[in-house]
Amino acid sequence: QVELVESGGGVVQPGRSLRLSCAASGFTFSSYAMHWVRQAPGKGLEWVALISNNGNSLLYGDSVKGRFTISRDNSKNTVDLQMNSLRTEDTAVYYCVRDMSWGGSGWPMDYWGQGTLVTVSS
Amino acid sequence: DIVMTQSPDSLAVSLGERATINCKSSQNLLYTSNNKNYLSWYRQKPGQPPKLLIYWASNRESGVPDRFSGSGSGTDFTLTISSLQAEDVAVYYCQQYYSFPSTFGQGTKLEIK
Repeated sequence: QVELVESGGGVVQPGRSLRLSCAASGFTFSSYAMHWVRQAPGKGLEWVALISNNGNSLLYGDSVKGRFTISRDNSKNTVDLQMNSLRTEDTAVYYCVRDMSWGGSGWPMDYWGQGTLVTVSS
Repeated sequence: DIVMTQSPDSLAVSLGERATINCKSSQNLLYTSNNKNYLSWYRQKPGQPPKLLIYWASNRESGVPDRFSGSGSGTDFTLTISSLQAEDVAVYYCQQYYSFPSTFGQGTKLEIK
């Protein structure tokens, strides 16, 4: 069965960096695009970033563009999110999400991990 | 960006009764070349990640009970739960994937009356 396990969350000061990782299993990882979606405490869902199956196509939400970088390692079945220059408004649970397609553009998302909490606070 | 607006914000329905949640997009989500509406519905129970219920506006995800159905086209969509069960207490979200950034509705909280 499809499993996505996020790690790397924690408490970090504003302006610092944090790297999240998502370990995937139960499917052919290199055939699917992957997303990061976040949810601030008690709030709704916000799409953050997308990486295509081969890593050639990257897309970011406006609120994180230039600060966050998504990457993947198909040999290790992992997708990472490097978060720099963190702000208090980046505080959220970050979910790793599988896309139904290889490219990620114009396709639904299906499987979600349990999420990892990032708290940005001084 | 496409704005997704759900109504109502909260809803209380008796067990066994029908629950209806609406979602309106600021732009058309129907791609005429393939006649597909680029809209999904998710259920998020407390303390859990969202779970996909419906995609392409009306396709039920594998394993989702048939009491869940999706309808609508263009800019107006509906999620219907035909007979509410206790385990359906959750927040429900619609999402468009017609264009980037993909955007979600604000959520509808469904409770038991």
